[in-house]
Amino acid sequence: DVKVTQSSRYLVKRTGEKVFLECVQDMDHENMFWYRQDPGLGLRLIYFSYDVKMKEKGDIPEGYSVSREKKERFSLILESASTNQTSMYLCASSLWETSGRDNEQFFGPGTRLTVL
Amino acid sequence: DAKTTQPNSMESNEEEPVHLPCNHSTISGTDYIHWYRQLPSQGPEYVIHGLTSNVNNRMASLAIAEDRKSSTLILHRATLRDAAVYYCILDGSGAGSYQLTFGKGTKLSVIP
Repeated sequence: DVKVTQSSRYLVKRTGEKVFLECVQDMDHENMFWYRQDPGLGLRLIYFSYDVKMKEKGDIPEGYSVSREKKERFSLILESASTNQTSMYLCASSLWETSGRDNEQFFGPGTRLTVL
Repeated sequence: DAKTTQPNSMESNEEEPVHLPCNHSTISGTDYIHWYRQLPSQGPEYVIHGLTSNVNNRMASLAIAEDRKSSTLILHRATLRDAAVYYCILDGSGAGSYQLTFGKGTKLSVIP
């Protein structure tokens, strides 16, 4: 069974703390993604990576950074957490497809982060 | 990015077919149409996708209009487990990478 795992289901941090969210996939996928999900706003892409050490900004990268040192692992970093970063964070992965946009994304279960 | 329009919510009786509509009038010729669903307290999961022809898999069927400006996800026999938010998505990424832009989706309730 294919799997995307995230380090925590629930996380509570204080304003100003540095926060690491880890995501691991076991499918040898090239692409990995970080989204956040908020009521009424749907899912929004923060960053994605199409290869080790490569990263691209998504729609809302401000306040976040990412790291991809190994193919299977993609980390989301909140350098200084703020209350408006309280959200559900979802990681996903997919194959690289040079023929076009014809593949599916596999999502992890999500991390619900609360910043106090 | 091309956008999709879906009803906010729908209801279905258990074991009856469900037709979930999606409008995407600004779709480009190379955009794939994807459907995902999100069960409560879980991440989204892939349901089906297509380009021009109707598609079937073990979960659902996808009917795509001839002009591709709309599509319909068909669940042939709704079960309680199908209660979820269903997202219709057009691919807006460049070749080689793959981004999904999720809208608000349709919340499907299944009545026993």
